[in-house]
Amino acid sequence: AQKITQTQPGMFVQEKEAVTLDCTYDTSDPSYGLFWYKQPSSGEMIFLIYQGSYDQQNATEGRYSLNFQKARKSANLVISASQLGDSAMYFCAMREANAGNMLTFGGGTRLMVKP
Amino acid sequence: DTGVSQNPRHKITKRGQNVTFRCDPISEHNRLYWYRQTLGQGPEFLTYFQNEAQLEKSRLLSDRFSAERPKGSFSTLEIQRTEQGDSAMYLCASSIGGRDRARETQYFGPGTRLLVL
Repeated sequence: AQKITQTQPGMFVQEKEAVTLDCTYDTSDPSYGLFWYKQPSSGEMIFLIYQGSYDQQNATEGRYSLNFQKARKSANLVISASQLGDSAMYFCAMREANAGNMLTFGGGTRLMVKP
Repeated sequence: DTGVSQNPRHKITKRGQNVTFRCDPISEHNRLYWYRQTLGQGPEFLTYFQNEAQLEKSRLLSDRFSAERPKGSFSTLEIQRTEQGDSAMYLCASSIGGRDRARETQYFGPGTRLLVL
């Protein structure tokens, strides 16, 4: 079974509007972290936001927030007030505390911001 | 620039040749990771170093691949006898080791794009 699933291969959003990128995960480890990265066409993976499995509040970082629903095993990224520079691939990733030091990534969502 | 750096950024080689990539992590980071990303996919873990010790290797890391981190600073990834299936982006990441591994953030470099003809 896929550990990280991103069901939206591509998304369009109008500039200045909000957009939600979906991520569901699968783990039996009680301690895990969920990460979102942005990958522009240049290729670099840019860290955006982190949510820990024991965190009581949803993470926020500037225009990025994470809608963490632990019982549903989802960690959706919300980008508010989209900008043209937000056009990129977005990857959800998980690190399980008891499964080594690797990040496991989803297949990504390509976000395109329309002017 | 204090981020993770990788060289070269692009490499084109012929099948059967050897290639070597270099990664310089963020200076205070003791953990270093290599990932491979093929077109249209998310990155896949290859190997992990804590200081100079290679502690984890993925099944993806065939015997044609070797990675080193001789002094616990920069790392090299060598691919011997390259095959067309090795064409991918090779990403390096680093982190500071902490007690809570789940919370560690890995910071990535710009990657090396390899094309094997």
